[in-house]
Amino acid sequence: GAGVSQTPSNKVTEKGKYVELRCDPISGHTALYWYRQSLGQGPEFLIYFQGTGAADDSGLPNDRFFAVRPEGSVSTLKIQRTERGDSAVYLCASSLDGLGKQYFGPGTRLTVT
Amino acid sequence: KNEVEQSPQNLTAQEGEFITINCSYSVGISALHWLQQHPGGGIVSLFMLSSGKKKHGRLIATINIQEKHSSLHITASHPRDSAVYICAATSAPNYGGSQGNLIFGKGTKLSVKP
Repeated sequence: GAGVSQTPSNKVTEKGKYVELRCDPISGHTALYWYRQSLGQGPEFLIYFQGTGAADDSGLPNDRFFAVRPEGSVSTLKIQRTERGDSAVYLCASSLDGLGKQYFGPGTRLTVT
Repeated sequence: KNEVEQSPQNLTAQEGEFITINCSYSVGISALHWLQQHPGGGIVSLFMLSSGKKKHGRLIATINIQEKHSSLHITASHPRDSAVYICAATSAPNYGGSQGNLIFGKGTKLSVKP
């Protein structure tokens, strides 16, 4: 079956612009995670959804970052007033119930110029 | 100090060698994950374990809960095993953090030469 998909695969934007990154989890997975991976580093947690609600958004670095999952499936990570330091690969993962194995998408590489 | 530490950071091996990557953690966990990341970014979950040992093909993962330590072993290594191997912990609910999100180590870059 289909795995986790993310779009776009690459996004180049200018400093100050607004971007949206999309994640399509595996069908039926209630838990969805966003992570950010900077060059040469391990991923870092951003936000976790259980169903439609954000169960934990403690990893969001500041209020420029926001994520939604209105119908409990697709999620969108939104970044306002992008800064060069936001450049990273943004990874999405889903799991069946939040307790088990996580399945990762291919990531979106964001470059802020 | 990171909550999840891996060693070594980089590892070069000859084809056929037995490889060990180590992971230690300082948080209470409900599970320990080993992930593989190939160039280009795709992450694949290899193992999720909370006790004992798991084996899949040439890969073996072990965990010692008392010592807060896990190892990933690769037997008869092959150049296609070259990747970054990441250890990640799912923190236990009473140690803070939401149930389920992963705390990652920085990864071990493995290069297997033919």
